[in-house]
This record gives sequence, structure tokens and C-alpha cells, in this order.
Amino acid sequence: TQLLEQSPQFLSIQEGENLTVYCNSSSVFSSLQWYRQEPGEGPVLLVTVVTGGEVKKLKRLTFQFGDARKDSSLHITAAQPGDTGLYLCAGVREKLTFGTGTRLTIIP
Amino acid sequence: DAGITQSPRHKVTETGTPVTLRCHQTENHRYMYWYRQDPGHGLRLIHYSYGVKDTDKGEVSDGYSVSRSKTEDFLLTLESATSSQTSVYFCAISESRLAGGNEQFFGPGTRLTVL
Repeated sequence: TQLLEQSPQFLSIQEGENLTVYCNSSSVFSSLQWYRQEPGEGPVLLVTVVTGGEVKKLKRLTFQFGDARKDSSLHITAAQPGDTGLYLCAGVREKLTFGTGTRLTIIP
Repeated sequence: DAGITQSPRHKVTETGTPVTLRCHQTENHRYMYWYRQDPGHGLRLIHYSYGVKDTDKGEVSDGYSVSRSKTEDFLLTLESATSSQTSVYFCAISESRLAGGNEQFFGPGTRLTVL
């Protein structure tokens, strides 16, 4: 059973555009993490959000944790080719439960 | 970068053969994890360890066993490989419990193909 659904699965946009990726669950998590994974490498942690309603910014990336701590979103402003990769959300309880992933391609 | 290595990085084997994957860390982290990554499924936890000789099952543990005789090494064994175990396997480490907000660091992965 997949507890975390990400949408969209695939996204291809032009450089300079904005985008939002969603991570949804029916379960409550103590915190939620976002990872980015490059081809041939392991995932790398981008951010952890802990409090319901929390918003964190990492340069052009904005992460939000839902008020009920069941969902999250990642918004990228003015996407760059370097943002290309697989984005994974992961809900934290005792262990990590990963989402299905969003494969993002930024076209120069 | 966290000091995590996986070996081998690539392996092709035949159905029914035993396979052992190794994860080695130089960070002295207490927790180690084995995941598999398949299209459409994200990463799924196979087994994890919370100390030397202390291991527990994850959500997809059938057909896999693990051992941890030293802090730095965590072995994943497929006793009799099947084609459904073709996947990319990732090892990860964390200093403490994930529920405490601790970060998990991933190794570079092992691509396993079972023919």
C-alpha cells in the first residue's frame, strides 16, 4: 500500500517557468522530508518540515507542510535546467515512507 | 558527502543464485537501512538495523535477510534471487531515530539484474 501519492508523476517545462509538486497522504506524519535524486545517485535531502502549516524556503524552492501534517507541496520559481531530477517526498514516523516521485525536466 | 559505499555497484546474476550486497559507512552512525527503488513505487524499506546485531523488517522483507556484525557494515542477502528482485538497491544511514527529525544519508546504489 502506497501511503504517499505525488503528483504529477512527470513534468516537463521551459526554463523560467514556475511549478508546483504535490505530496498527499491520508496518514499523519511527525514530519515530512523532500529529496532530490540525480541519475545514478542516491537521494539527497533538501528540507525537513516539522510543524503543520510550516513554510521553508531554499533559494527558489518553497516547501509547505499541510496544517494537518498529511500533505506537502514543493514550489519552484523560475525553474533552471539544474533543477532537473527526481523529487521524492517522504513521511517520517519511526521510519520513512517514500512517495511515488515526480520526475522533473527543465528544458533550456 | 557522508562516507557510504556500496558494493558491487552493478551485478547481473541468474535466478536461484545467492547474492550479497554490502554497505560500508565511515560515519559511525547507529542506524542503517536497505531500500529498493522501482519505477512507480518510490523507495521501499527492506530491512533496517538499529545497532550491531539488532535488525528489523521493513515493508518488503520477504526473500531478503540482513546481518550487521560491525557498526560500519550492513549486508543484504538474497538467498535465492528471483526476477522480481531486479531493482536498484540503496543503503542509508542515520545518526539517530528518524522520528527525532534526524537526516538520513544515502549511498550511491547497486543495480541488480536477475535473469
